[in-house]
Parts: sequence; C-alpha cells; structure tokens
Amino acid sequence: QKEVEQNSGPLSVPEGAIASLNCTYSDRGSQSFFWYRQYSGKSPELIMFIYSNGDKEDGRFTAQLNKASQYVSLLIRDSQPSDSATYLCAVEPSGYSTLTFGKGTMLLVSP
Amino acid sequence: GAVVSQHPSRVICKSGTSVKIECRSLDFQATTMFWYRQFPKQSLMLMATSNEGSKATYEQGVEKDKFLINHASLTLSTLTVTSAHPEDSSFYICSARDLDRARNTIYFGEGSWLTVV
Repeated sequence: QKEVEQNSGPLSVPEGAIASLNCTYSDRGSQSFFWYRQYSGKSPELIMFIYSNGDKEDGRFTAQLNKASQYVSLLIRDSQPSDSATYLCAVEPSGYSTLTFGKGTMLLVSP
Repeated sequence: GAVVSQHPSRVICKSGTSVKIECRSLDFQATTMFWYRQFPKQSLMLMATSNEGSKATYEQGVEKDKFLINHASLTLSTLTVTSAHPEDSSFYICSARDLDRARNTIYFGEGSWLTVV
C-alpha cells in the first residue's frame, strides 16, 4: 500500500512568517512529487513539482526533496492570509502513473 | 488560465436520473485523464483512470456500471453518474496529464458539484 502522510493541521502562522509544510511517502521508488493548494470548495491548484533531490524555488515557494529520507516539504515565505488553504502533497510512484495524495495540511495565516 | 475545463460546475438532479460531466484539456492532448471524488473535508479519492480509445481502469470499490467513463478523443473525457442517489452527491474533479510540458505536469479541472435530491 503506497502511502503519503501529512499532518492534517491546522498549521497557524502569522502574516509575514515562513510556513513549513511536510510530507512523507512510503514508496522508495517514487519519482515525481507535487504540491497542490486547495481552497475550500474549489479544485486543487498546482503550486510546484519537484523530481530531484534538493531545493526548488519559485517566488515565495520552495519545495525540498530528500529521497533518502522519503521526505518532501514546501516552504512558503512571507505568508499572506490569502495563502490560507489546504495543501496537498502528491506522489507519483513511477513514470506516467496515477498520483497518490496525502490528506492535506490546512494552513491558516492570521493578519 | 485554466488548461483543464470541467462542465457543469454545479448540477442538481433528481434521484434515479443520470448526469454527465465533461472534462476537456484545452491546449494539450491528454491520452490519460483521471476522475476523483471528494466529500466535504475529506481527501481526494481516485475513482478511475480514463484512457483514450480504451476502457477506463476503475479503483477498487468503484462501480463501473454506475460511473460510466468515456474517453473518445484526446481532449475529452466524460463521467456519467447513472441512476444517481443522494449518497452520490459529492465534488467530482478530473485531472489530465500534459506530456508536452516540463516533465508531465498534471492539472485539475475546476470540479463539478453534484447534488442529488
């Protein structure tokens, strides 16, 4: 059973702080990793994807991947109230297959 | 803008009737599309994988005769909920893989809220 684990939260941070969202996965052969943001009542929106160990930065977002530890994280710098949403970690076990989603972490950014 | 479009965004139907939801990839061809269902405050649940020109692959516990999937072209997949019941009320979301972008990115449609009364 391939699993993706996330802390359900809520993770509360003040505006302007760094939010750190974590995700672990069970399938060591996983190759592709995605972070999606989902606002209540809306469908998931792709934020970033990462394939290689290390960091990948895009604006205020940084994805970090450590395949040896089977760990992927998302950092959000200068958090804004509009970042308040559920963040879904998704893992693709092998090329061109379906995604396995975590249950999501709810982030609350207070003004 | 949206690269995967779903229609309708909201639909209300009577119990026992059928409802069709469309999923279109707007600027890329998608040989594979995925259908998910999400109940309030719960995670996404994969229902089936839709393959262009062939039968869909259903996840365990999903009734293929109830949730009919057709992927007749490289840009369109449809999900038909047959003989709908109130317990089928949910948020249905499709996604499609864009193989032409950097490393097969997967995009979601806007989702379709189904209410069966």
